[in-house]
Amino acid sequence: GAVVSQHPSRVICKSGTSVKIECRSLDFQATTMFWYRQFPKQSLMLMATSNEGSKATYEQGVEKDKFLINHASLTLSTLTVTSAHPEDSSFYICSALKISGNTIYFGEGSWLTVV
Amino acid sequence: GENVEQHPSTLSVQEGDSAVIKCTYSDSASNYFPWYKQELGKGPQLIIDIRSNVGEKKDQRIAVTLNKTAKHFSLHITETQPEDSAVYFCAAGSLPYNTNAGKSTFGDGTTLTVKP
Repeated sequence: GAVVSQHPSRVICKSGTSVKIECRSLDFQATTMFWYRQFPKQSLMLMATSNEGSKATYEQGVEKDKFLINHASLTLSTLTVTSAHPEDSSFYICSALKISGNTIYFGEGSWLTVV
Repeated sequence: GENVEQHPSTLSVQEGDSAVIKCTYSDSASNYFPWYKQELGKGPQLIIDIRSNVGEKKDQRIAVTLNKTAKHFSLHITETQPEDSAVYFCAAGSLPYNTNAGKSTFGDGTTLTVKP
């Protein structure tokens, strides 16, 4: 199957700083990637849809200036949490669309803890 | 928009028994129904999916059925094993994917526990 890699898998940052999470499709090109947020024992909540070469589409209620998404290449999308606060602590997951087969594959997720 | 309901929220079975998880969806335009297995601290793993042009799909011990008229689909796991214990999510979306149609709506998840 296709592989989607996220980095870092765990990160701790101080309140007020920014942190970047990378999502890479390792063996396929992904024109579309999705970013999710998941709180403990809850489902995945879509934050935004990232399209290569264009601006991301954010879901209602998601602050685009706080969660910056960049999809500069067909294999890489990044999520930057700016001016992080403790309430931003969560499990962030990306997924990538593999066009051939029209299937979505998920990354392993990134745990963010803001202290 | 799409609304997906998943039941039960928790399911406990004895090793070797079958497990069934059911989902309903609201948007008749949805035509893609994947199931994901998520282990603690990891991302969701696609285990099986079904598209609206078929009513049933099977892969070894896992099967999925789809009833488009009733707008519900189910995951069936036979001969369960302790390593099947995880959270399972259903989702409903539409293909082909594009900017707006690519997103899937997830159910709330089912925590499956398989007792040895």
